[in-house]
Parts: sequence; structure tokens; C-alpha cells
Amino acid sequence: QKEVEQNSGPLSVPEGAIASLNCTYSDRVSQSFFWYRQYSGKSPELIMSIYSNGDKEDGRFTAQLNKASQYVSLLIRDSQPSDSATYLCAVNTNAGGTSYGKLTFGQGTILTVHP
Amino acid sequence: DAGVIQSPRHEVTEMGQEVTLRCKPISGHDYLFWYRQTMMRGLELLIYFNNNVPIDDSGMPEDRFSAKMPNASFSTLKIQPSEPRDSAVYFCASSLGGRPLEQYFGPGTRLTVT
Repeated sequence: QKEVEQNSGPLSVPEGAIASLNCTYSDRVSQSFFWYRQYSGKSPELIMSIYSNGDKEDGRFTAQLNKASQYVSLLIRDSQPSDSATYLCAVNTNAGGTSYGKLTFGQGTILTVHP
Repeated sequence: DAGVIQSPRHEVTEMGQEVTLRCKPISGHDYLFWYRQTMMRGLELLIYFNNNVPIDDSGMPEDRFSAKMPNASFSTLKIQPSEPRDSAVYFCASSLGGRPLEQYFGPGTRLTVT
């Protein structure tokens, strides 16, 4: 079982719709969760972080975390063609020692927003 | 502010040659990370440093790979000898000590080993 799993997509949504991206993780003691956006041929860019159960909103983005279900999601409201990218879920399991700075990434979900 | 700087941006080399990738982190950042990205394996952490000291190198694939950070503003990732399966995009990232997981990535080096 992969540590961090995402549906690779592609996920296609019309402009103005809500895009919903999902991620599950296997280590129950995981504590910190991140969403990175990666445009084709570019480097990953941090867009959201979430550390506690519930929702966290930042502009058109909402991250949702459910530790009991080991599930984290990213909602993009009013999707725009410029949101078309690969979205990477990343998880840290801070079990002490050398894991303090380690992120494990999912394979990413390709999102396409069509006009 | 300048972001993370990597060089070269593209490298094409023949199997068996030595390859050196370079990274300059964001000024003031005390964590530095080296990642490799391929279609098959995704984005993988190879090694990371804190205050120039290697903390975890468990992701380094084998002894052909080595990384150094001689000072706070420079790091290298070396592959010797290189093999075709090393072809990938190599990213360097840096972060602040208070938030080591909020990482800023450089533009990457696309390595092709023929």
C-alpha cells in the first residue's frame, strides 16, 4: 500500500465549477498535510497547509482534513483555466528523529479546467 | 527576493560520466532538500540538511549518489558514475527552521543520461 494515494485523474471540470481533489494516507500518526500545485514543466509550489481536523480556507481554496478517516481533500471554487495543473498531496509523519523535515508526496492528480 | 537557484537547468551526459548538480537556497533558510521526480516514482526525497548537516539520507538510491552542503548558501548533488535510470528532474528546495515542511522549490535540473 502506498503511503500517500491520489487519483491520478485527469479530473476535468468546467470553468466556474468546484474541483474536488482527494488524498488518503496510510500512517495514522501523520500530523501535517500539504497541497502543492505543479504546472507542466515547472516546480511544485505550496498552496495550502493543514494541521488539524476540519476545514481551512484561503481564497478560492479550501483544505479539509479528517484524521479518523485518514483523508485530506482540496476544494477549488470557481475553477479557472489557470488552475489546470497537477496537484500533489504531501504528508509528514513527525515520529521524531529524522522525520521532522520529511514530506512524502502522492503521485498527483491532473486537473483540467475547460472554458 | 531570489528564490532557490539551481544549475544547470538541463544536463545531458553519457552513461558512466560524473554529474554534479548545484543549488543555492533562499537566503536565511536553514533547511535544504534534494528531490528526484520521475513519471514512474513521482517526487521522492533523496536527502535533507539542517544547518548544513545531513539529517536523513535514506532516500539516496545507492552509493553512486552523494550530497554535500559546505556552507549555508550552497549544496551539490553528485552522481558518479551516472546510469540511464538516473534520468529524471532533480529539485532542490529550502525552508525556514520554524516551518521546515513549507518548502520552496527551485526550477529543477532535467538530467538525461544516454
